Amino acid sequence: GDSVTQMEGPVTLSEEAFLTINCTYTATGYPSLFWYVQYPGEGLQLLLKATKADDKGSNKGFEATYRKETTSFHLEKGSVQVSDSAVYFCALTQAGGTSYGKLTFGQGTILTVHP
Amino acid sequence: DGGITQSPKYLFRKEGQNVTLSCEQNLNHDAMYWYRQDPGQGLRLIYYSQIVNDFQKGDIAEGYSVSREKKESFPLTVTSAQKNPTAFYLCASSADRAGQYFGPGTRLTVT
Repeated sequence: GDSVTQMEGPVTLSEEAFLTINCTYTATGYPSLFWYVQYPGEGLQLLLKATKADDKGSNKGFEATYRKETTSFHLEKGSVQVSDSAVYFCALTQAGGTSYGKLTFGQGTILTVHP
Repeated sequence: DGGITQSPKYLFRKEGQNVTLSCEQNLNHDAMYWYRQDPGQGLRLIYYSQIVNDFQKGDIAEGYSVSREKKESFPLTVTSAQKNPTAFYLCASSADRAGQYFGPGTRLTVT
């Protein structure tokens, strides 16, 4: 079945540092890929997405590129802020059939940014 | 504004009681989902529904039940058969490959 693997956390950075959170996946066909962010005590928010190979999703300074050759969707940000402290989830979905919209999640990566 | 609402935000129950968590969406999405999240862990799928009057078990459906009588609503009942019900419960909805949109969650504590 489909699976998503994220780099283990927690990740601790100083403000303005460069961020990379690795995500690789195993799936048949051409899934859509997502990054979600969860702030303490809240639900998940869709951060960015990519629906086909070589697509780059971007939002709020975060970027991720859908790399089919390496089955990866790594999250990057050039300069993190304290407000970026949260849990980040990588996920994929297959379209159609019985898996309509159903997401497969990675285990989540805790990011803490210090001033 | 379109979105997903879950109520209440915090819920406390005694062991042995059934409890129903509410989830409503006005995004006109066909599919809805319930997840469970435990501290320091990812999300696990409980039930999902692709269309009104139809739903499927997810990975951890035992001890839970759902209904989907209206497109906008997908309530989850945590029954007394659920052995460890204390958790954070998240509801979501989606339209095809656009990604799922999540509610704010309900934190259930059973003592």
